[in-house]
Amino acid sequence: DQQVKQNSPSLSVQEGRISILNCDYTNSMFDYFLWYKKYPAEGPTFLISISSIKDKNEDGRFTVFLNKSAKHLSLHIVPSQPGDSAVYFCAGRGSGAQKLVFGQGTRLTINP
Amino acid sequence: KAGVTQTPRYLIKTRGQQVTLSCSPISGHRSVSWYQQTPGQGLQFLFEYFSETQRNKGNFPGRFSGRQFSNSRSEMNVSTLELGDSALYLCASSLVLRDYYGYTFGSGTRLTVV
Repeated sequence: DQQVKQNSPSLSVQEGRISILNCDYTNSMFDYFLWYKKYPAEGPTFLISISSIKDKNEDGRFTVFLNKSAKHLSLHIVPSQPGDSAVYFCAGRGSGAQKLVFGQGTRLTINP
Repeated sequence: KAGVTQTPRYLIKTRGQQVTLSCSPISGHRSVSWYQQTPGQGLQFLFEYFSETQRNKGNFPGRFSGRQFSNSRSEMNVSTLELGDSALYLCASSLVLRDYYGYTFGSGTRLTVV
């Protein structure tokens, strides 16, 4: 039962353009969504989050959008930089602070 | 400050053997969670410990077990290894239980079962 899905295993974007990473979920009880970034040979690091009562959260070059009716969220990175090349995981947190449920991850490659 | 330390970094084991992985959290962090990362499944939750007690458990068979010591260090054990157990095992520590914004992951232990 994959409650959080990232249907694009990989994404390639030119430096300076916008990167859009997508995530779908099935559990309507999630109260927070989080994005983590992972470089090879390192553990994931927290990037940005959004509460289920909001539809947008912005932090510098990173913006997360949440569409509750579609059970869909997306991470926008503008402008994309070579250092953004990594695997990105989205995760949902069940209400009552249950464990995080992660998606499969999307490998983002930024081309010079 | 020192990060989350996982040992060993790499392991090769044979089917049927057992393995123990170790995780030392950031000093002062009392919660440790374990995740399994595989290419097709992403990060799947194994278990979470706080104050030496398992507080939450994922949908893994009983061959997967863990414990936490009084100094918050945690170990994970997998018995009767199967080929499908080959994965990157990540632990994450946080100051308090389920403090996901303070989640710090280790670099992981890559287990290969042959």
